[in-house]
Amino acid sequence: AQSVAQPEDQVNVAEGNPLTVKCTYSVSGNPYLFWYVQYPNRGLQFLLKYITGDNLVKGSYGFEAEFNKSQTSFHLKKPSALVSDSALYFCAATLNTGFQKLVFGTGTRLLVSP
Amino acid sequence: EAGVAQSPRYKIIEKRQSVAFWCNPISGHATLYWYQQILGQGPKLLIQFQNNGVVDDSQLPKDRFSAERLKGVDSTLKIQPAKLEDSAVYLCASSRDRVGEKLFFGSGTQLSVL
Repeated sequence: AQSVAQPEDQVNVAEGNPLTVKCTYSVSGNPYLFWYVQYPNRGLQFLLKYITGDNLVKGSYGFEAEFNKSQTSFHLKKPSALVSDSALYFCAATLNTGFQKLVFGTGTRLLVSP
Repeated sequence: EAGVAQSPRYKIIEKRQSVAFWCNPISGHATLYWYQQILGQGPKLLIQFQNNGVVDDSQLPKDRFSAERLKGVDSTLKIQPAKLEDSAVYLCASSRDRVGEKLFFGSGTQLSVL
């Protein structure tokens, strides 16, 4: 069965510093990988996805993610954090065959301090 | 484009009562998902429709939960009777019918079962 792990419940970073939110996956075959963000009292919003090709994927709001097949990881990164980036971040994975069945991690709360 | 619409936004009921949630997906999106998000956890897929057919309901507690998608557009999720552990946010999402497509989420319905 496929699964996604986000080992950190919370990540704290100062504004202007780089941030990393970690994600590892367990999916047989070649996965499609996603990052979503959830602001308070809002639904999830798509940030970026990895399908194939370049291991560094760029997404919305200056975020990027690095796919590492050997480490089965898909960490979310941003060179310079903003206070407004504070939110709940979810990593998700699906198999690239058949119908799409998206499995989410437990989420990581990002807190950016001024 | 208009987003995914969900109603009601909040619902408070007593255990053993019934409740229904409504979702209107983005026009043209063939795939519709219902997720349950318990506080502190990632979204868990309850049921997935492709047009008006069910492609995955393996995690739907069928003794109390039911869902339908009439004419392949709107969908309703029902709980009868509700239990305390059903307290959660119920998220509806839709996507185009292809693996790797991003999901668009509604704002969710926050259910409290007392």
